[in-house]
Amino acid sequence: EAGVAQSPRYKIIEKRQSVAFWCNPISGHATLYWYQQILGQGPKLLIQFQNNGVVDDSQLPKDRFSAERLKGVDSTLKIQPAKLEDSAVYLCASSLVAHNEQFFGPGTRLTVL
Amino acid sequence: EDQVTQSPEALRLQEGESSSLNCSYTVSGLRGLFWYRQDPGKGPEFLFTLYSAGEEKEKERLKATLTKKESFLHITAPKPEDSATYLCAVQAGGTYKYIFGTGTRLKVLA
Repeated sequence: EAGVAQSPRYKIIEKRQSVAFWCNPISGHATLYWYQQILGQGPKLLIQFQNNGVVDDSQLPKDRFSAERLKGVDSTLKIQPAKLEDSAVYLCASSLVAHNEQFFGPGTRLTVL
Repeated sequence: EDQVTQSPEALRLQEGESSSLNCSYTVSGLRGLFWYRQDPGKGPEFLFTLYSAGEEKEKERLKATLTKKESFLHITAPKPEDSATYLCAVQAGGTYKYIFGTGTRLKVLA
């Protein structure tokens, strides 16, 4: 069974530029999550989708971050414009249903200069 | 406010030296407590789920336990390959939202 796929794996941008991350969850998983993990900290939930609907985006900085999950499968997370403090690893995870364990992708390491 | 605290932040053990990692939590409406392992440069990997106080789960050298306020991850006779960051997460509320702790960085020396 294929795992959660993410791309790109690494991205370096200048502040005020925009960036997008892509996630393909495990086939059949209804719930998809985006997390931000700053070095030395645990993952922080940014947004949770159930199929293609948003369940929780309370910690998503909506003035600069946006996310969508088209057709309840793939998802993209966008940052526009980026700030220095956005430097982190962005993790995508999926679960069969919300109360099950989550399966994580390898993450995208973003560096904002 | 929902909160998850892990201790210690870092732990160095000799191979074979057993120890325990702690995860204490204050949440309303606990749905489950999860343990994950994270290796450098990788996403977290699922280890255990615990749902109710008194529950225990085991896998190889790892054993997870749960009380009403905290969970322990016991590591028996660890090996160097057990070196990783161990993350605890609690799932709470109607949306089954995850709240992660900051993790314990474990280093097992040969």
